[in-house]
This record gives sequence, structure tokens and C-alpha cells, in this order.
Amino acid sequence: AQTVTQSQPEMSVQEAETVTLSCTYDTSESNYYLFWYKQPPSRQMILVIRQEAYKQQNATENRFSVNFQKAAKSFSLKISDSQLGDTAMYFCAFTQYNNNDMRFGAGTRLTVKP
Amino acid sequence: GAVVSQHPSRVICKSGTSVKIECRSLDFQATTMFWYRQFPKKSLMLMATSNEGSKATYEQGVEKDKFLINHASLTLSTLTVTSAHPEDSSFYICSAREDRGQETQYFGPGTRLLVL
Repeated sequence: AQTVTQSQPEMSVQEAETVTLSCTYDTSESNYYLFWYKQPPSRQMILVIRQEAYKQQNATENRFSVNFQKAAKSFSLKISDSQLGDTAMYFCAFTQYNNNDMRFGAGTRLTVKP
Repeated sequence: GAVVSQHPSRVICKSGTSVKIECRSLDFQATTMFWYRQFPKKSLMLMATSNEGSKATYEQGVEKDKFLINHASLTLSTLTVTSAHPEDSSFYICSAREDRGQETQYFGPGTRLLVL
């Protein structure tokens, strides 16, 4: 079974600084997708970034980028120029290609301090 | 694009009554939708996968007779909590997956259910 591990329950960062959230996963499959979702205090889950496993290039969305290490089964999220609005719970998620199951990590609570 | 609505956002009901929650994909078709439950400060727990025109697939330990799911169209899935009890109080979140692939799920804003 696929598992997703987020080893940092809580993190904090100063506004305008950079922070990296860690995520590792376990799978025997070669085709899959990885995601980072953000859940702010409103509790609305928002897609931050997506990575297809077959792509070697790391995904980037504005201030958000990932470091995808397929061999190490690692998928970290880097947030640059942190903003107060980045304060949220961040969930790493995994799903196999053509599979319904999406597995979530336990989440990392990020606080951006002014 | 890729907006999912969920209604109601909050509901309070008496023990023994039934509550229906609607999940709609507003700007895309979704053959597959998902229902999650989230406990305070916890991750999402998948309850069931809803497939348009067929029976839902429930996760182990989820009572299908208690949590009725209907996916009548490509844009609407409903979850009915039957004979609700206080232990059913929780935050329920739906998501919808675009039919075009890429396996991305887009989430509704959630429904907070309180059973008195």
C-alpha cells in the first residue's frame, strides 16, 4: 500500500523568507502523481502544485516549487518570499496513474510570522 | 476554472434525523467524485468514491447504509447521513476529479455537521 509521510508537524518562517516542507512516499509503481494542497483556516483545500512522476523537471508555480527525487521517493515543497497568506496546513498527496485512491500525509502546519 | 461547490456549509441537526450534502463541479465534468471526513487537526480520511451512474465504493469501516451516496449526473454527487448521531459530527469534504485525466482532485469548501 502507498503511504505518504510528512515528518514536520509544525513549522514557522519569517515573512519574505524561504521555507521547505518535506514529504516522502512509498510505492512500487512507476507512474503516479504527487500533489501539494494547502488548507488555510477557512478549511478550503487548494491545489498548490502537481508533479507527474514521469517528468524529470521539477514543477514550479510562481513562489512555489518542488524538489522531486524519484529514486529517493522524496517530494519537498519550497515556498519562496513567504507571505502571511501562506499560513495554512499543507498536505502532500500521492495518487497512482489511473487509480482513484489519493493518499494524504498527516500535514504540516506552517505559520508565517510578520 | 475547476471550481467545486458544496452545500450547505454548515448544518446543525437533531439526533435521528437525516442530512443531505450536495457537491457540484461548476465548470467541468466529473465522472468520479470523492467524499472525505476530516477530524480536527487531522488529515483527510476517504469515506467513499462516487461514480456517475453506478454504485459508490466505500472504504473499509464506512457504513454504506448510513452514508448514502448518489451520483446522478456528471456534475452532482450527494452524501446523505442517515439517522445522524452525535458521533457523526465532523467536517465533510467532497472533491471532484476532471474527466480529462491528470488525476487532480479539486475540493469543495466543506460542510461542518453538528448533531445534537
